[in-house]
Amino acid sequence: ILNVEQSPQSLHVQEGDSTNFTCSFPSSNFYALHWYRWETAKSPEALFVMTLNGDEKKKGRISATLNTKEGYSYLYIKGSQPEDSATYLCAFPADYGGATNKLIFGTGTLLAVQP
Amino acid sequence: ETGVTQTPRHLVMGMTNKKSLKCEQHLGHNAMYWYKQSAKKPLELMFVYSLEERVENNSVPSRFSPECPNSSHLFLHLHTLQPEDSALYLCASSQDWGTIYNEQFFGPGTRLTVL
Repeated sequence: ILNVEQSPQSLHVQEGDSTNFTCSFPSSNFYALHWYRWETAKSPEALFVMTLNGDEKKKGRISATLNTKEGYSYLYIKGSQPEDSATYLCAFPADYGGATNKLIFGTGTLLAVQP
Repeated sequence: ETGVTQTPRHLVMGMTNKKSLKCEQHLGHNAMYWYKQSAKKPLELMFVYSLEERVENNSVPSRFSPECPNSSHLFLHLHTLQPEDSALYLCASSQDWGTIYNEQFFGPGTRLTVL
């Protein structure tokens, strides 16, 4: 059974702190990894689709790296702000060969940024 | 706004009721999804429609019945539900089903409570 693990489960930081969290996935037959941000009472929103080993993607203060050989991706937030408070989800293809858009989601990392 | 809307946002129903959840996407996407989010569990895929044809049924009980009358609308018909079906039901869409590289766009969800 495919397993996507995220750690930590939750994180409390002060405004201005930089933080990072991890998504672990099976390292064989890699095709893509998705990151989503889910703010409370809103819709999950796509952040990145990571495809290449060594890839680094950036959106404002948020960036993500990818290591397909060891099966992990890091999400970094530089200078956290209260509006960064959300659950961050990663998702991995469920179907062999990446032939469909069927995703297996992790349980997420809940980030709370204190002003 | 993600371009995916869901109604109602909240629903309380008895075990003998019949109700329907509605999803609409204004993005011109070809694939639409129903997910279930139970407390402390990952997002769980229920059904997928691609070009109005059901392409995925993730072993969902028959008391949940999806319908996709056209490429913009998706329904989830509910009948004789159990209290353990209480959860957040999310709709999503993506440009196509046949690739892992498309991000998914989510609606805000319907919070369902079964009494």
